[in-house]
Amino acid sequence: GENVGLHLPTLSVQEGDNSIINCAYSNSASDYFIWYKQESGKGPQFIIDIRSNMDKRQGQRVTVLLNKTVKHLSLQIAATQPGDSAVYFCAETYNNNAGNMLTFGGGTRLMVKP
Amino acid sequence: SQTIHQWPATLVQPVGSPLSLECTVEGTSNPNLYWYRQAAGRGLQLLFYSVGIGQISSEVPQNLSASRPQDRQFILSSKKLLLSDSGFYLCAWSVRGRGLNTEAFFGQGTRLTVV
Repeated sequence: GENVGLHLPTLSVQEGDNSIINCAYSNSASDYFIWYKQESGKGPQFIIDIRSNMDKRQGQRVTVLLNKTVKHLSLQIAATQPGDSAVYFCAETYNNNAGNMLTFGGGTRLMVKP
Repeated sequence: SQTIHQWPATLVQPVGSPLSLECTVEGTSNPNLYWYRQAAGRGLQLLFYSVGIGQISSEVPQNLSASRPQDRQFILSSKKLLLSDSGFYLCAWSVRGRGLNTEAFFGQGTRLTVV
């Protein structure tokens, strides 16, 4: 991604508030999108995904919204908890001749204040 | 079930020394394999990806190389490390095949410090 060399933007929220993390993707051919959560010193973990034929998908406390018109993806976390503090990455995929290839966005650091 | 193993977890190497990081995947065949690097407080930078044995694509010019000697083995190497090679290195795999959109699964990472 083009932003990997920059310091991660930080979103600071109060415990119990809702969080919204945004991501702009670049490839209009991408048809599958994923949000990952990365805790300090660990590899990214899958949170939720959405396919391009949908504009909204809900998980347990998370919702992903997809706006293909403006190539924008967002992750909403309800009732944010201290354990949600992490770096969040969006990823887009498209099928080339070799199958699905992943491209990651630059990431956002979420800090939850108790 | 599928698992991905990456080692070592931490590594401290002097400038100019060689590097070899290994990643293996179990429980799947013919995966796409990836090496990413993450500098402290920054995003994921794709270094290499592989769609098959001996097939390596490089995303950025650098001091590193990758090899895939076996279907589920991916190795990141350097002949002479630079200070700028320090970072958190992540291996990942995803299902390969047209029409299959799945997430990538990451290893736990190797923190490399070049001194």
